[in-house]
Amino acid sequence: DIQISQSPSSLSASVGDRVSITCRTSHDSNNYVNWYQQKPGKVPKLLIYDASNLETGVPSRFSGSGSGTEFTFIITNLQAEDGGIYYCQQYDNVPTFTFGPGTKVEIK
Amino acid sequence: QITLRESGPTLVKPTQTLTLTCTFSGFSLSTYGEGVAWIRQPPGKALEWLAIVYWDDDKRYNSSLKTRLSITKDTPKNQVVLTMTNMDPLDTATYHCVHSHILKIVFDIWGQGTKITVSS
Repeated sequence: DIQISQSPSSLSASVGDRVSITCRTSHDSNNYVNWYQQKPGKVPKLLIYDASNLETGVPSRFSGSGSGTEFTFIITNLQAEDGGIYYCQQYDNVPTFTFGPGTKVEIK
Repeated sequence: QITLRESGPTLVKPTQTLTLTCTFSGFSLSTYGEGVAWIRQPPGKALEWLAIVYWDDDKRYNSSLKTRLSITKDTPKNQVVLTMTNMDPLDTATYHCVHSHILKIVFDIWGQGTKITVSS
């Protein structure tokens, strides 16, 4: 089974900052990684699919990159409403799916 | 507009079988590519994918839970049913049904979820 790690597990940043989250998979994931944002009490929201594609309607300050086993999610110009937990999610050719443990983003 | 809604018991005893129903609208599981997944989230913990069923009745399961899970679809009723056997307190979680598609493999539309507590 594939394993996923995310780093950091949590971070605190100020409005206007640039935030970066790394997702590592135990096996080559091609570009099959998606990113979700979950705010307290809400369902997850898809932000990035297939490593680098911005979901329709998602602000352009969110971006993703990477392939293989290492993926990066970036928020530029962090906004107050960006607080929450961010999950990477990998899928394979079967497909089966695995979520990362999440990164909590706190706005100072 | 796609919507999904989960229904089922709120409390289950250990060793019992959980049956959850997802009723959806805005798409059909008779249409090429459409899929419905179940994903759960224990309180304060991460998301965990459980199972998915596609339009062609292809079914996939989380390997660590495969022996306990069954997913079925009722296409005319626009429903997907998940059963999980031998429930344990560690299975306490919010269970979501979620839309997906084979051509864009994401979880894009989520049901609000149903909170399941496993306790005697």
